[in-house]
Amino acid sequence: SQQGEEDPQALSIQEGENATMNCSYKTSINNLQWYRQNSGRGLVHLILIRSNEREKHSGRLRVTLDTSKKSSSLLITASRAADTASYFCASAAGNKLTFGGGTRVLVKP
Amino acid sequence: GAVVSQHPSRVICKSGTSVKIECRSLDFQATTMFWYRQFPKQSLMLMATSNEGSKATYEQGVEKDKFLINHASLTLSTLTVTSAHPEDSSFYICSARDHETKSYEQYFGPGTRLTVT
Repeated sequence: SQQGEEDPQALSIQEGENATMNCSYKTSINNLQWYRQNSGRGLVHLILIRSNEREKHSGRLRVTLDTSKKSSSLLITASRAADTASYFCASAAGNKLTFGGGTRVLVKP
Repeated sequence: GAVVSQHPSRVICKSGTSVKIECRSLDFQATTMFWYRQFPKQSLMLMATSNEGSKATYEQGVEKDKFLINHASLTLSTLTVTSAHPEDSSFYICSARDHETKSYEQYFGPGTRLTVT
């Protein structure tokens, strides 16, 4: 399969809570990226973590990368209703991005 | 920031006809563009890598004669779905890498929703 795995597939939380999603990939990578997609729309790039980095922060986002386990996690802190979207990880090897299956996040006000 | 546009945003066509989708990088040059397909509630699947001035590289299982890709300039790639069938109905998304910065980041277009009746 071309895709990596993400879990959970869906997540429902209250506003203000944290949301954590995990991603696994299959091959060696240059970097791993996280994207957000609102329903029926294009992708918005959130954050990129290089293969030699272990953790990265951007605003309310925290990403970790464990290359030994070929896994990454995305944490969204203090979630807002506007964070409701699908989140995809994408592992980058050479020119290509391979997307995970995505996590659908619903933040209830 | 880098902007990628797609046209049209939505298209409905009849079975057997062909549809062309354009992907443009608006404020940067892109030697490489990518075409993805996304079915409802699923992830993006890479269809092909489009290289300016040369033939596209297709992923396994993607018919190159059905999905024609042309990357005639550093800012434009087109995907033509030939002899479309209802099973080709999908969300098609392109992305582009900035030639100058050689950044790993891909900039995504807003997508084109194709419905084949």
